[in-house]
Amino acid sequence: EVQLVESGGGLVQPGGSLRLSCEASGFSFISYSVNWVRQAPGKGLEWVSYISPSGSNIYYADSVKGRVAISRDNAKNTVSLQINSLRDEDTSVYYCAREDRNEGSGLDFWGQGTLVTVSS
Amino acid sequence: SYELTQPPSVSVSPGQTAKITCSGDAFPQQYAYWYQQKAGQAPVVIIHKDSERPSGIPERFSGSSSGTTVTLTISGVQAGDEADYYCQSTDSSGAYVFGPGTKVTVL
Repeated sequence: EVQLVESGGGLVQPGGSLRLSCEASGFSFISYSVNWVRQAPGKGLEWVSYISPSGSNIYYADSVKGRVAISRDNAKNTVSLQINSLRDEDTSVYYCAREDRNEGSGLDFWGQGTLVTVSS
Repeated sequence: SYELTQPPSVSVSPGQTAKITCSGDAFPQQYAYWYQQKAGQAPVVIIHKDSERPSGIPERFSGSSSGTTVTLTISGVQAGDEADYYCQSTDSSGAYVFGPGTKVTVL
């Protein structure tokens, strides 16, 4: 069974940092890219970051560039998202989603998300 | 930055056809993807590469493309199709973008 499980969310003060993790199982992790997508309460989906299967290609949304770093450990089937200098507007559910970019699959499997709340 | 445009809402009676458009300058050079998100759930991809349906997605969902506009069509709408629908594509730099979403209401 394919699974993506996010963790690391929680309540953090403005200016603080968090490290989100996405643990994958049930599929060949090294064959897939991974994206982070967030959704503020009651709002739409916002793409945050992408990492290729080898980790050699990385992209960030302009809204988080310079504050976010994505990485992956293919030995542990995990992807991490480090978010620094957190702002109120970063409050969202953060989803990780896999993608077979070569096949044009789109984000074909998503985790259930982890909630990040930025508040003093 | 690159943007996609969708209508905020579409209302349709059961059994009728719903059409949701998504406009963006990157079309048709870049593929379009469509996601369905039901309340309290993670999104699910229902159309990839403009018009292909992933395994397990009902045939009543279809995608098409014409110029800078892509369209998701839901034929024979059912009550269970009530959800938010998002289009998604990529820009020339490799960044991804989602449309603002369309809420489909089944009357």
